[in-house]
Amino acid sequence: AQTVTQSQPEMSVQEAETVTLSCTYDTSESDYYLFWYKQPPSRQMILVIRQEAYKQQNATENRFSVNFQKAAKSFSLKISDSQLGDAAMYFCAYRSAVAGGGGADGLTFGKGTHLIIQP
Amino acid sequence: KAGVTQTPRYLIKTRGQQVTLSCSPISGHRSVSWYQQTPGQGLQFLFEYFSETQRNKGNFPGRFSGRQFSNSRSEMNVSTLELGDSALYLCASRPQRLSGANVLTFGAGSRLTVL
Repeated sequence: AQTVTQSQPEMSVQEAETVTLSCTYDTSESDYYLFWYKQPPSRQMILVIRQEAYKQQNATENRFSVNFQKAAKSFSLKISDSQLGDAAMYFCAYRSAVAGGGGADGLTFGKGTHLIIQP
Repeated sequence: KAGVTQTPRYLIKTRGQQVTLSCSPISGHRSVSWYQQTPGQGLQFLFEYFSETQRNKGNFPGRFSGRQFSNSRSEMNVSTLELGDSALYLCASRPQRLSGANVLTFGAGSRLTVL
């Protein structure tokens, strides 16, 4: 079974600065997808960014980018120019691309990192 | 385009009762999956439905069940409630063509408290 580990229960950053959230995972598969989801106090999970394991290029979405190290099984999220609205729980998630041909096993989530933005 | 709608948002039950939660996916999405979120265990996959068929189930007891209707709406049921079933239950939908790359769109969740 796959596992996802987020070693930072809480992180704090000054507004406008850059912060990196860590995520490592364990899998024996070579084909999979990785996601970062954000859950603000309103509780609704929102996709931040997605990475396909077969792509070497790191995904970016505006101020959000990842550092995907497949050999090290590491998938960190960098948030640049942090804004107050970035305050939330951030979850790293894994999905197999093999099972059922459609990721039928569901997402495996890490425990989350609580990101605090200091004004 | 309406998002994923979950009802009810909050509910309180007592031990031994049963509960049914409802989820309406995004229009056109045929896959619905359910997750349980607790402070101790985090987010855990319950099951996924596609075209009214359960595709997979997480490691939960048989008290947890679900179904999907022909309009893709889904319900999950928990029977003989236990205190440990208190959680936020999240529903998510994804597009018609199943792929691991599909992004899940989540609803706001149903907060269940068992007394």
